[in-house]
Amino acid sequence: DAKTTQPPSMDCAEGRAANLPCNHSTISGNEYVYWYRQIHSQGPQYIIHGLKNNETNEMASLIITEDRKSSTLILPHATLRDTAVYYCIVGSGGSNYKLTFGKGTLLTVNP
Amino acid sequence: DSGVTQTPKHLITATGQRVTLRCSPRSGDLSVYWYQQSLDQGLQFLIQYYNGEERAKGNILERFSAQQFPDLHSELNLSSLELGDSALYFCASSTYRASGRETQYFGPGTRLLVL
Repeated sequence: DAKTTQPPSMDCAEGRAANLPCNHSTISGNEYVYWYRQIHSQGPQYIIHGLKNNETNEMASLIITEDRKSSTLILPHATLRDTAVYYCIVGSGGSNYKLTFGKGTLLTVNP
Repeated sequence: DSGVTQTPKHLITATGQRVTLRCSPRSGDLSVYWYQQSLDQGLQFLIQYYNGEERAKGNILERFSAQQFPDLHSELNLSSLELGDSALYFCASSTYRASGRETQYFGPGTRLLVL
């Protein structure tokens, strides 16, 4: 599986957009980009994933560059409850896919 | 609420003991994954079961074992416990999709403390 690089921490003001970057320069053609988050020792929570097109759901948007070597997770209006560690994970889909978590980015949303 | 349940929430035991952690996947999910989260190692994949059969293994110690039962619930057995086994243990479940896009849903975890 391709490795990912994320900044260790970021701050964001409440109500503003949070843009979390992720580099995955060794991603292969059939690998997806997944984003999960973990709020203080709770179980990780799925946010969004994509292959090459930009994706949007009720939680966030995922922007993947054309060369697929990096992506950005966008939380459009961050709230205090979005304070969490955000993990960018790259891997293939399928029925036996394990998630390989890195250290992620600690996003702190400030009032 | 992810729909994945884990019991117990907390477990305190002594070194050398054996414990069993239980996981009930979301209704209809055939895959169950176990992960360990410790302060120094982060979140690590241990093992996966799919419809009762072991499908993938990660960094699981020989002292640890798991199984998935016909009703699809899973148990993770930890034996000869050591202080370093103290961690959060998460279970996740998923359903394979023909498109290949799989989402894992995590339970709330079991916090194990070995004294």
